[in-house]
Amino acid sequence: DTGVSQNPRHKITKRGQNVTFRCDPISEHNRLYWYRQTLGQGPEFLTYFQNEAQLEKSRLLSDRFSAERPKGSFSTLEIQRTEQGDSAMYLCASSLMGVGNEQFFGPGTRLTVL
Amino acid sequence: KQEVTQIPAALSVPEGENLVLNCSFTDSAIYNLQWFRQDPGKGLTSLLLIQSSQREQTSGRLNASLDKSSGRSTLYIAASQPGDSATYLCAVPGSSNTGKLIFGQGTTLQVKP
Repeated sequence: DTGVSQNPRHKITKRGQNVTFRCDPISEHNRLYWYRQTLGQGPEFLTYFQNEAQLEKSRLLSDRFSAERPKGSFSTLEIQRTEQGDSAMYLCASSLMGVGNEQFFGPGTRLTVL
Repeated sequence: KQEVTQIPAALSVPEGENLVLNCSFTDSAIYNLQWFRQDPGKGLTSLLLIQSSQREQTSGRLNASLDKSSGRSTLYIAASQPGDSATYLCAVPGSSNTGKLIFGQGTTLQVKP
């Protein structure tokens, strides 16, 4: 069990560029979550997958954001036409439904939009 | 709508003290509560998960309690050490179906040697 991994760990981009982040959950976990965290705040929910199905999206997730989990394993989060307000830590978590749903988090991807 | 509050926002104590971090939530219909630790610039580490049927959970020097009826949880840290310095976050599920977590803003703890 290698835990949740995220890549890249850091991303610096210019406003207007597209960025994509990847999350690899714990292998047997069927639920995968994306959260966003800004400085001094707790994480905020963005979206959730159960297997390959995206079952819920937050209103925080504008139409510039898209997430996929094509084979129910890894997930990607893409942000199109980035804005300075997108600068944040993007956290991925996974859990196994029915076992208390304890969530385990990855190290996060720190995005800086210049 | 579920809201989670953590008090205090920051805490500084000398090494060796026992301390209590507080977490309150507005909707008592939760099925669990999770405490996390976050080091600066890092992801979250799960510390303790308390199911709604439990009143407390222990791991080493950490003890978390849950009182659903009053909408409160506490994290007790015994004999604090400088290595305990971090931000501590509590979170509850936002709904019973998805398990998405609603977080407090965290308590930043500094333990001075």
